[in-house]
Amino acid sequence: TAGITQAPTSQILAAGRSMTLRCTQDMRHNAMYWYRQDLGLGLRLIHYSNTAGTTGKGEVPDGYSVSRANTDDFPLTLASAVPSQTSVYFCASSLSSYNEQFFGPGTRLTVL
Amino acid sequence: GQNIDQPTEMTATEGAIVQINCTYQTSGFNGLFWYQQHAGEAPTFLSYNVLDGLEEKGRFSSFLSRSKGYSYLLLKELQMKDSASYLCAVTQGDYKLSFGAGTTVTVRA
Repeated sequence: TAGITQAPTSQILAAGRSMTLRCTQDMRHNAMYWYRQDLGLGLRLIHYSNTAGTTGKGEVPDGYSVSRANTDDFPLTLASAVPSQTSVYFCASSLSSYNEQFFGPGTRLTVL
Repeated sequence: GQNIDQPTEMTATEGAIVQINCTYQTSGFNGLFWYQQHAGEAPTFLSYNVLDGLEEKGRFSSFLSRSKGYSYLLLKELQMKDSASYLCAVTQGDYKLSFGAGTTVTVRA
C-alpha cells in the first residue's frame, strides 16, 4: 500500500503566486494534518481535520487554507505566497488523536 | 499553549547508551509521543506514553512522569543508523500534537 503521499516533491514559487500542495492517504484514517518544519523550530501545525467535511486551525494557520471533501485527500493552498512560507511541508494522518501519526515524504517549497 | 524543551544536540559512541530528556508544560495533557527523523526524511513513530512508567521496545525505551512534566527516550546499544533527530511531541486531545524542536543525535564509531 502507498500509505500517505504528497505532491510535488519540491517547488520553487514566485512571491504572490498561488499553489496547492496535495496529500492523499489510503489508510482510511479519520484525521489528517499539515505541518511546516523550519530549522530550529521543529514541526508546527498549520491546519488539521478530524474527519471528512471538518477542518480546524493549528498553531500557524495564517496564509494557508485547507479543505477535506473526502476521507483520502487533504490539500493545502497558499493563496498568495510570501518568502516566509519557504519551508518543508509535511502531511500526516492518524486513526485518532490517541494513535500515532503517519507522515508523508514532505514537499520542499521555496518562495522567491 | 505548549512549552516543550529538549536538548539541541547529543553525541555518543557506537554501542553506548544515550538518554534524551524532554520537559513540557501543557494543559489538558493526554499523552507523549517520540518520533525519529533521519535527515531529509519524514518523521517515523517510535513510542507513545500515556501512563507513568517505562515502555520498552527493543533497543528503545521511553519513560513518562505526568506529575513532573518529564519524559525521556533511552537508546541502547547505539548503532550508526541511529544518527537522526528525535522529536518529543505532546498531545492535548482534539487531534492537536505539539512538537519540540528535536534533538539531533550523532553516533560516532
